[in-house]
Amino acid sequence: AQSVTQLGSHVSVSEGALVLLRCNYSSSVPPYLFWYVQYPNQGLQLLLKYTTGATLVKGINGFEAEFKKSETSFHLTKPSAHMSDAAEYFCAVSETSNDMRFGAGTRLTVKP
Amino acid sequence: DAGVTQSPTHLIKTRGQHVTLRCSPISGHKSVSWYQQVLGQGPQFIFQYYEKEERGRGNFPDRFSARQFPNYSSELNVNALLLGDSALYLCASSPVIGGAYEQYFGPGTRLTVT
Repeated sequence: AQSVTQLGSHVSVSEGALVLLRCNYSSSVPPYLFWYVQYPNQGLQLLLKYTTGATLVKGINGFEAEFKKSETSFHLTKPSAHMSDAAEYFCAVSETSNDMRFGAGTRLTVKP
Repeated sequence: DAGVTQSPTHLIKTRGQHVTLRCSPISGHKSVSWYQQVLGQGPQFIFQYYEKEERGRGNFPDRFSARQFPNYSSELNVNALLLGDSALYLCASSPVIGGAYEQYFGPGTRLTVT
């Protein structure tokens, strides 16, 4: 069965600094990978997804992620953090059906 | 267009009671999934329904059940509530079933069991 590990439950960066949130997956078949963001007391919003094709995926709000099969990774990055990026970020994997398996989440704090 | 809607927003129940949570998918979406998100954790998959049939079930006890109606809305039922059932219950919809399709999440129902 597919699974996801997010390294680092909390990440703190300064405004304008690089954001790097780490995600490693386990899947018996080529995976579909997703990053979602959750703001307090809200549902999850899709940032980006990888299905097939180009391994560098661009999403909303300036985020991007790179699928690296050899490293079973799908890390999320943003060149310059904004205060509004402070939220909980979840990496997720699905296989043939879309019952997604989520990581435990990484809380991003952005310091002024 | 309206997104995924869930009702109620908040709910407080007592141990041993039963609860029904409701979800309306995005118009045209035929797949609905339910997730439980305990505070401080990622969402855990409970059920997936497509065209009114159960297509997937997570590792949850039989106290949890669900169904999907002809209009594709869905209900999640939990019997004999335990304190550990306190969580945010998220409903998600997608146009069809398949791993490549992202799921669109509703705002959730916050269930508190006392």
